[in-house]
Amino acid sequence: GAVVSQHPSRVICKSGTSVKIECRSLDFQATTMFWYRQFPKQSLMLMATSNEGSKATYEQGVEKDKFLINHASLTLSTLTVTSAHPEDSSFYICSASRLVDTQYFGPGTRLTVL
Amino acid sequence: DAKTTQPPSMDCAEGRAANLPCNHSTISGNEYVYWYRQIHSQGPQYIIHGLKNNETNEMASLIITEDRKSSTLILPHATLRDTAVYYCIVRGDRTDKLIFGTGTRLQVFP
Repeated sequence: GAVVSQHPSRVICKSGTSVKIECRSLDFQATTMFWYRQFPKQSLMLMATSNEGSKATYEQGVEKDKFLINHASLTLSTLTVTSAHPEDSSFYICSASRLVDTQYFGPGTRLTVL
Repeated sequence: DAKTTQPPSMDCAEGRAANLPCNHSTISGNEYVYWYRQIHSQGPQYIIHGLKNNETNEMASLIITEDRKSSTLILPHATLRDTAVYYCIVRGDRTDKLIFGTGTRLQVFP
């Protein structure tokens, strides 16, 4: 299967700071990338969908000004959590797909906001 | 996209076949059935998907009933490393969105 990486795997930050998470498709060009969030003992929740070169589409209830998504190339998307607060602490997972095809997931980034 | 129903948990002895059921009674003709699994603290791993016909790959087999209202994921020889949460997801052919339900927690025991 296709390989998707995320960086960093873990990050701890102070409340009020911004954190950037990178998602890369290593062996294919991803026309679409997705960002999910997962709280402990819960399922994955889709946050937003981004197509290369276009603005991201956010799911209902997800603040676009807080979770900034950039998908500037076919192999890289970034999620920036702005002014992070403890309630933003979660497991953030990206996935990538080529055209309308199977999604392949990254290993996830665990964010802890103190 | 159609909703899926899965049992919350299942056990399986190591070396035996694990049969994970999924109900998707409202599936429409152009919707695919996808299976992913998530091992603790990792991103989901793609397993298999199908539309109408049964499918097999190196990881598993997918059996879809003729009326397409249910399917079964089969891990032919479960190992301890197959312990994970397994998600059955229905996805339309015009969207690549995946909506995750609660899945089935499979515990493989020695």
